[in-house]
Amino acid sequence: GAVVSQHPSWVICKSGTSVKIECRSLDFQATTMFWYRQFPKQSLMLMATSNEGSKATYEQGVEKDKFLINHASLTLSTLTVTSAHPEDSSFYICSAPQTASYEQYFGPGTRLTVT
Amino acid sequence: KQEVTQIPAALSVPEGENLVLNCSFTDSAIYNLQWFRQDPGKGLTSLLLIQSSQREQTSGRLNASLDKSSGRSTLYIAASQPGDSATYLCASQGGKLIFGQGTELSVKP
Repeated sequence: GAVVSQHPSWVICKSGTSVKIECRSLDFQATTMFWYRQFPKQSLMLMATSNEGSKATYEQGVEKDKFLINHASLTLSTLTVTSAHPEDSSFYICSAPQTASYEQYFGPGTRLTVT
Repeated sequence: KQEVTQIPAALSVPEGENLVLNCSFTDSAIYNLQWFRQDPGKGLTSLLLIQSSQREQTSGRLNASLDKSSGRSTLYIAASQPGDSATYLCASQGGKLIFGQGTELSVKP
């Protein structure tokens, strides 16, 4: 199957700093990628849809100025958590669909801890 | 608005048992339904994808069915093993992928 990578796999940062997470589709092109966050013992919550060459679409309640998304190429989307606070600590996962089947392929996730 | 529900939330079985995980969704206008496995602290592994025109898909000991008219899907695991212990998530694909809350499965040796 298709492979999606994320970097870093985990990051610890101080409150007030910004953190960038990368999501790459390794063997296919993705005009659209999705970003999710997951709190412990909870399911995945869709944050935003990343669109190559255009603005991301954010879900209701997600602050677009706090979670900056850039989809600069057909294989790379980045999520930047700006001015991170402890409540932003979470597991962030990206996914990319294969166009033909709509099957979603997920990255391994990034564990963010804000101290 | 699509809502996806999974029952049970948690399940503990002895090794070797056959088991069924349930998933229901409110909007039948979907492209497909996908089942995933998630191990603690890890990302998602796709298990099975059923296109909206299909009724079921099989992979090894796993069989997933889809009944769009009733808004239900089931994941059947045959001859369960301790290595099957994980959280199983179903997700409906419309314009977006909407997840259920998951079933946490524990298979005891």
